[in-house]
Formats: sequence, C-alpha cells, structure tokens
Amino acid sequence: AQSVAQPEDQVNVAEGNPLTVKCTYSVSGNPYLFWYVQYPNRGLQFLLKYITGDNLVKGSYGFEAEFNKSQTSFHLKKPSALVSDSALYFCAVRLLKAAGNKLTFGGGTRVLVKP
Amino acid sequence: ETGVTQSPTHLIKTRGQQVTLRCSSQSGHNTVSWYQQALGQGPQFIFQYYREEENGRGNFPPRFSGLQFPNYSSELNVNALELDDSALYLCASSPTGKIEGYTFGSGTRLTVV
Repeated sequence: AQSVAQPEDQVNVAEGNPLTVKCTYSVSGNPYLFWYVQYPNRGLQFLLKYITGDNLVKGSYGFEAEFNKSQTSFHLKKPSALVSDSALYFCAVRLLKAAGNKLTFGGGTRVLVKP
Repeated sequence: ETGVTQSPTHLIKTRGQQVTLRCSSQSGHNTVSWYQQALGQGPQFIFQYYREEENGRGNFPPRFSGLQFPNYSSELNVNALELDDSALYLCASSPTGKIEGYTFGSGTRLTVV
C-alpha cells in the first residue's frame, strides 16, 4: 500500500517570502514523487517530479523540492512567493515498479500568498 | 501539440441515472487514467486503460466502467448515479514507458441531484 500525507490544510505567506509545502509518503519500495498545482475549476498542472538522482529537483515557475529518503519527505519550496502562486497544491507518489500508472495523492494544501 | 481534452466541462444528473464522460488523449499518449476528485479532497484513482483494456483499478464499484478506443480516446461510464458521485472527474494520459509523463485534462464537474 502507498499513502501520502500533507499535514497542512493551508499555508499563508507574504509575497516575497519563502514558501514551503510539506509532504511525507509511505511506500513499500522505491517511489516516484510528484507535485501538481490546481487553480480553481481547473485540472492538475505538473510542477516537478523525482524519479532518481539528485535529491534536489527543480521544476516549473521557480519551484523546487527536496527528496529525503530517511525522513520519507518531499517538501515543495519556492524562495520568493508570488501572489499568483495562490492555489491548491498536491503531492503524489507512485511505486517505481507498480503495474499501471496509479498515482496516490495527498489531500492537498491550499497556499495563500498575500500582497 | 494538443493537450488532454475532456467533455463536457459541467454536467448535472439525477440520482439513478447513467452518465458518460469523454477524454481525448494528448498526441502520442496511449495510456489513459481516470481520477475522481471530491470537493476538498485529493484525486482518487479509478482505473487505467492501455491498448483498449483495463490494466489497473482503484477502489471503485463495478458501476464505474470505461472504454478506450483505437485512437486512444476514452470514456468513463457511471451507472446508477449516487449523490456521492458528485465530483470533478479528471482524465490523465501518458506515453508508454514514460511513467513520469502524465498530462491531466481540466476535468468534468459532475453534480448529482
């Protein structure tokens, strides 16, 4: 079984300040890890992924995430948040060798960036 | 390249009715997955189709069924609609062998009354 936890329902940050959205996962094997963003009444937009290699992954729109195997975490970060980053963020995991393309998502974290 | 397109964007149905949602995959993608996103929750995997056959299924009852066509487009059918089926239904396509290459559509918002 695999699961994803996003412990914060909402994160508030002032524009220009660093943004961190937390994610921890549980899988019995090596994971693929993803971050997606969702704007109101829209589908999911891909931000970044970790497959293998460097633990620090850089993605779209200035976002990055750090894979920490010992802490089973994959926190999303942005050094300087913008008001336009206000959205719903989802962390997802997939087993490296699982059949099919099933993604298991966390419950989501709403990010509010205030001017 | 075109992305994943879903239709309709919004739909209202009555409890007990049947509904069909449609998805056109991104060009070059031959695997399609469907997800249900209830309000305030993360998406839940329904099932996946590859080469016109279901090859993975989540914890959803048999009244949720699907099809994939030779052009890789797909349908999600839900019979005997229940109020709890109200959700955003997302389609995602990916190319074979590139598991990280998911592309999601904007979804169909289904409301069951």
